[in-house]
Amino acid sequence: AQSVTQLGSHVSVSEGALVLLRCNYSSSVPPYLFWYVQYPNQGLQLLLKYTSAATLVKGINGFEAEFKKSETSFHLTKPSAHMSDAAEYFCAVTNWRSGGYQKVTFGTGTKLQVIP
Amino acid sequence: DTGVSQDPRHKITKRGQNVTFRCDPISEHNRLYWYRQTLGQGPEFLTYFQNEAQLEKSRLLSDRFSAERPKGSFSTLEIQRTEQGDSAMYLCASSPDRTGSSEKLFFGSGTQLSVL
Repeated sequence: AQSVTQLGSHVSVSEGALVLLRCNYSSSVPPYLFWYVQYPNQGLQLLLKYTSAATLVKGINGFEAEFKKSETSFHLTKPSAHMSDAAEYFCAVTNWRSGGYQKVTFGTGTKLQVIP
Repeated sequence: DTGVSQDPRHKITKRGQNVTFRCDPISEHNRLYWYRQTLGQGPEFLTYFQNEAQLEKSRLLSDRFSAERPKGSFSTLEIQRTEQGDSAMYLCASSPDRTGSSEKLFFGSGTQLSVL
């Protein structure tokens, strides 16, 4: 079974500082990997996805992630944190089913706090 | 495109009561998923519908849970004889059935269930 592990349930950064949220995956087949963001009282929103094309993936709001097969990692970064980035971030991996649909497995999430 | 809509946003019930939640996916999205999210955890897969057919149910979905999507449009999730352990956020997601697009899930804002 495929899974993801997010290191750090809470991360605090100063406004303008680098954001680094860590995710490691476990998969017996080439994975599809995702980062989703959840703002308070809202549903999850896709930030970016890796689907075996370019290993450096750019997403919305200035976020990007790099797929590193040798390290089984898919860390999320943003060069300069903004107050509006405060949210919970979920790494996820897809398990494609024989019916052609996906079963997404989410990590436990990392809450990002941005300090002014 | 009005997004995925879930109703109600919040539900408080007493242990032993039955509750029903509704999800309206984005129109023309024939893939519909239910997830459950508890505090400090990522969303966990509950069940999947392709049009009106329920193709997969998680072992998390005990026999007290039933989900339907009678006409392939909206879906309902019913919990009978609720227990305190059922308290969680219930999330609905949909996706189109198009190559290159089906892996992105569009989430609703969820229904927060509190069982007293």
